[in-house]
Amino acid sequence: AQSVTQLDSQVPVFEEAPVELRCNYSSSVSVYLFWYVQYPNQGLQLLLKYLSGSTLVKGINGFEAEFNKSQTSFHLRKPSVHISDTAEYFCAVRQTGANNLFFGTGTRLTVIP
Amino acid sequence: DTGVSQNPRHKITKRGQNVTFRCDPISEHNRLYWYRQTLGQGPEFLTYFQNEAQLEKSRLLSDRFSAERPKGSFSTLEIQRTEQGDSAMYLCASSLSGAEFFGPGTRLTVL
Repeated sequence: AQSVTQLDSQVPVFEEAPVELRCNYSSSVSVYLFWYVQYPNQGLQLLLKYLSGSTLVKGINGFEAEFNKSQTSFHLRKPSVHISDTAEYFCAVRQTGANNLFFGTGTRLTVIP
Repeated sequence: DTGVSQNPRHKITKRGQNVTFRCDPISEHNRLYWYRQTLGQGPEFLTYFQNEAQLEKSRLLSDRFSAERPKGSFSTLEIQRTEQGDSAMYLCASSLSGAEFFGPGTRLTVL
């Protein structure tokens, strides 16, 4: 069985402050890891992915995430947020050999001016 | 725009009616997925195609749901005898390998 836990359902942060959105997963096999962003009334946009190699992954819009196998985590970070980063963020995993993604319940990031 | 497109974007129907949604994936992508997203939740997997073959179906996909991808290009998702519990955002995604790229979704409201 697999699961994805996004511990924080809502994260308010002031503009230009750093932010970390937490993601933990459980799986009996190796996984690939993803972060997606969803703006209101839109589909999901890929921010970044970890398939193999370096555990620090850089994505679009200044976001990065670090895969920590021992802690089964894949936290998303940005050193300085903008108003336009206000959105819902989803962490997702795909087990090796599986066809589909398994998503967390999302974290709503609100950037305060 | 060469992304994933979905039509219609919104659909309001009465309980018991049939509805059909269409997804046009990115042209070179051979893999196509349907997900369902309800309010406050992450997307949940419904079904997966590789080319025209439907290779996997979730237990969420009841007998009232059917999906096709007849020529390995666009796909349709049909829901028969809709129920209020079917109200959700239906998302289509496609990929070649690695990450899935999502369309804007079709929001279904069943009255």
